Amino acid sequence: AQSVTQLDSQVPVFEEAPVELRCNYSSSVSVYLFWYVQYPNQGLQLLLKYLSGSTLVKGINGFEAEFNKSQTSFHLRKPSVHISDTAEYFCAVSLPISSNTGKLIFGQGTTLQVKP
Amino acid sequence: SAVISQKPSRDICQRGTSLTIQCQVDSQVTMMFWYRQQPGQSLTLIATANQGSEATYESGFVIDKFPISRPNLTFSTLTVSNMSPEDSSIYLCSVRDFSYEQYFGPGTRLTVT
Repeated sequence: AQSVTQLDSQVPVFEEAPVELRCNYSSSVSVYLFWYVQYPNQGLQLLLKYLSGSTLVKGINGFEAEFNKSQTSFHLRKPSVHISDTAEYFCAVSLPISSNTGKLIFGQGTTLQVKP
Repeated sequence: SAVISQKPSRDICQRGTSLTIQCQVDSQVTMMFWYRQQPGQSLTLIATANQGSEATYESGFVIDKFPISRPNLTFSTLTVSNMSPEDSSIYLCSVRDFSYEQYFGPGTRLTVT
């Protein structure tokens, strides 16, 4: 079975500072990896995904993530955050299409609080 | 990208009643899912909605409590039956398109009193 652990429940950071949100996963087989953002009272929006290929993935809003197979990690980074980045961030995994419907298994979420 | 709408956006219901949530997507998709997000929690998959057949439920969720329909490729409903306060959650519809992108609807915020 697959599982996802987000290592920080809350990350406070000042505006224009860099940020890293940490995500580790557990799986005996290869997985697809995703980061989603949820703004207050809204649904989830896909930030980026890793399916295969380059381990550095660039997403929307200046976010990027690096897949590290040996560390089983998929940490999310942004070099300079804005107040508008304040939201809940979810890391998720999925099995490849051939062996799964594509259902997502989510981590517990990390609240990013950007302070002025 | 797929655009998903859900109805209702929120509701307050009494214990023992049922609520049906509708999910409509603007394009044909391969898979449709229903997730639950309890207050302050992450998302948990309830079931995969299969077109023209019974939904596939995850451990801990049963058809009698959460009946699901999917009559075509763009529409699905989730019913929360015989509600109790523990059912107070956000219920989200999700779809996966042919490029393996997965999109989420805005959610239905349910409060059971």
